[in-house]
Amino acid sequence: NAGVTQTPKFQVLKTGQSMTLQCAQDMNHNSMYWYRQDPGMGLRLIYYSASEGTTDKGEVPNGYNVSRLNKREFSLRLESAAPSQTSVYFCASRDSQVHWETQYFGPGTRLLVL
Amino acid sequence: AQKITQTQPGMFVQEKEAVTLDCTYDTSDPSYGLFWYKQPSSGEMIFLIYQGSYDQQNATEGRYSLNFQKARKSANLVISASQLGDSAMYFCAMRGLDTGRRALTFGSGTRLQVQP
Repeated sequence: NAGVTQTPKFQVLKTGQSMTLQCAQDMNHNSMYWYRQDPGMGLRLIYYSASEGTTDKGEVPNGYNVSRLNKREFSLRLESAAPSQTSVYFCASRDSQVHWETQYFGPGTRLLVL
Repeated sequence: AQKITQTQPGMFVQEKEAVTLDCTYDTSDPSYGLFWYKQPSSGEMIFLIYQGSYDQQNATEGRYSLNFQKARKSANLVISASQLGDSAMYFCAMRGLDTGRRALTFGSGTRLQVQP
């Protein structure tokens, strides 16, 4: 039982390059989330998916797209990376059937955009 | 809209002493949950404790307890008998329990350093 896994762990991009951050969970959770964490700040929601086939914008969605490929996987795509997207990205999942359930976080992806 | 405020950027505590990390919140949701997470230097987010807005008693989990004062909109984390391994960033977070999204809103965190 791996929980929430993210790949890659670390990535360096040049401005304008694209990339996809991968996230998978093996806990059979319906809800999945993408957050970003900037230095000295808490996590901010980029996108979330309440269930397979649905996605919705969070607080800071500009410059990102997401795909809920199936119940296990939720990917985040940067089409044209910008230095402002340098951050640590966390994926999380939760059992939406349990209203008090916490979110389980992946280990994070450190992204540096030059 | 929801907002979490953590007014202590950094805290120091001596090993074996207790420490309180402050958290105040604002929300229009009638039903909500409050969470505390620990983020060590390795970067992962570790869930510590949960308090529901309708829970009658303050939550406790081992050395962690949550001092929940609903009228003051505060949800302070108390760590008893601090250990060196408690040195980390601590985040308070909340979400509405009746809203469809149920994503977390985080505070800016408090860096706790436990001194020997």
